[in-house]
Amino acid sequence: GAVVSQHPSWVICKSGTSVKIECRSLDFQATTMFWYRQFPKQSLMLMATSNEGSKATYEQGVEKDKFLINHASLTLSTLTVTSAHPEDSSFYICSASDTGTGNSPLHFGNGTRLTVT
Amino acid sequence: QQQVKQSPQSLIVQKGGIPIINCAYENTAFDYFPWYQQFPGKGPALLIAIRPDVSEKKEGRFTISFNKSAKQFSLHIMDSQPGDSATYFCAASKGGYQKVTFGTGTKLQVIP
Repeated sequence: GAVVSQHPSWVICKSGTSVKIECRSLDFQATTMFWYRQFPKQSLMLMATSNEGSKATYEQGVEKDKFLINHASLTLSTLTVTSAHPEDSSFYICSASDTGTGNSPLHFGNGTRLTVT
Repeated sequence: QQQVKQSPQSLIVQKGGIPIINCAYENTAFDYFPWYQQFPGKGPALLIAIRPDVSEKKEGRFTISFNKSAKQFSLHIMDSQPGDSATYFCAASKGGYQKVTFGTGTKLQVIP
C-alpha cells in the first residue's frame, strides 16, 4: 500500500534555531501534500497545502515566514520551522494522496515530535 | 469555528461491546466523510469512509451510518477488542479526498 514517510520522527532543538522536517511519498507521486499540527490530546489542524513546483497555500493564522514549505519534487515536501520557540513544540504530521490514481485517499506519515527548549 | 463536531470525547467499553462515536457537520458542501484511527505517537490511518449518497457502509467490524438530512454520521465498532483502543477522528471534505477537516477526536479504551 501507499506509504508516506516522515523524518525525523522526533527532534529536540534550542530556541532560536531552525528545524527541517521531511515528508516523502515512497511508492507514489503526490502533486499535493498537506501539513498538520497536533497538540496533545487535540485534533489535527491543517497548517498548509504544499503544491509541487509552486508556492504553498497557508491556512488562516499560520505564519508563512515562520513555517517554510518547499515541495521541490513529486515525492518530497519539507517543512522548516524557522527561529523555533517553545510554543512551536508540537506533533507535526504530513499527508499525501496518489496523484496518478485520481481520487485516492490521503495517506499520513507517522509524524514528527518537535520539542523546542 | 468547529465545522465537524465529534462526541463523546472519551469512551470506555468492555471487550465485545459496540462503541459508537458520533459526528455532526455544518457545511452541506462536504461530500466525503472518512474515519481515521490514531495510535499514540503515530499518524492517523484511514479506517473507512462514506459518501452522502449511501446511508450505511460496512467494512469488517467497522460500520458508518450516515444521515444526510440531519447532517450526522457515526462509527460503530462491532465486537470491539483491546487492540481497537486508540483515538478515532471523523473528518469531512468537499470536492474529493484531499483537504479534510477533522473532528475533535474520541479516545476509545476497550478493556478485557
